[in-house]
Amino acid sequence: GAVVSQHPSWVICKSGTSVKIECRSLDFQATTMFWYRQFPKQSLMLMATSNEGSKATYEQGVEKDKFLINHASLTLSTLTVTSAHPEDSSFYICSARGTVLGEQFFGPGTRLTVL
Amino acid sequence: AQSVAQPEDQVNVAEGNPLTVKCTYSVSGNPYLFWYVQYPNRGLQFLLKYITGDNLVKGSYGFEAEFNKSQTSFHLKKPSALVSDSALYFCAVRDFGNEKLTFGTGTRLTIIP
Repeated sequence: GAVVSQHPSWVICKSGTSVKIECRSLDFQATTMFWYRQFPKQSLMLMATSNEGSKATYEQGVEKDKFLINHASLTLSTLTVTSAHPEDSSFYICSARGTVLGEQFFGPGTRLTVL
Repeated sequence: AQSVAQPEDQVNVAEGNPLTVKCTYSVSGNPYLFWYVQYPNRGLQFLLKYITGDNLVKGSYGFEAEFNKSQTSFHLKKPSALVSDSALYFCAVRDFGNEKLTFGTGTRLTIIP
């Protein structure tokens, strides 16, 4: 199957700093990318959907000014957690889809810990 | 609105026995159905999908799932479980025309040696 990478795989930062997470589709062009958040022992919560060259569509309750998403190319999307606080600590997972009927391929996730 | 239910939080199966992980869904149109598996501290791996066609779908690692429209179910099955199948399994659904996947709450499958 197609490969999606995420970087970094884990990050620890101080409260108040910003953290950028990259999501790349390595062997296909991703017209749509998705960002999820997963709390321990829970399902995935969709944060936002982004199409290349367009502004991201955020789910209800997700602060767009706090979670900045950029989908600048067909192979790269970034999530920036601005002014991170301990409650932002979580497992962030991206996914990418090449075609409308295609399945989503998921990245390995990024574990964010805010001290 | 679309939704998916995985009624069992935990399923335990003896190695070598058949396994079933249950999933039911609700959509307003035609469903696109998916199964994913997650290992600890990892992202989700795609197992199989149903879009159209044969109701029995075969996927990775010997898994299969049967689409049952009348029961709105898409149960995941494997004839003979391996210890390495132990993981967290997610069922997901998309309604036709909807970009977003809705995930179930996950079922933790434990294969007992």
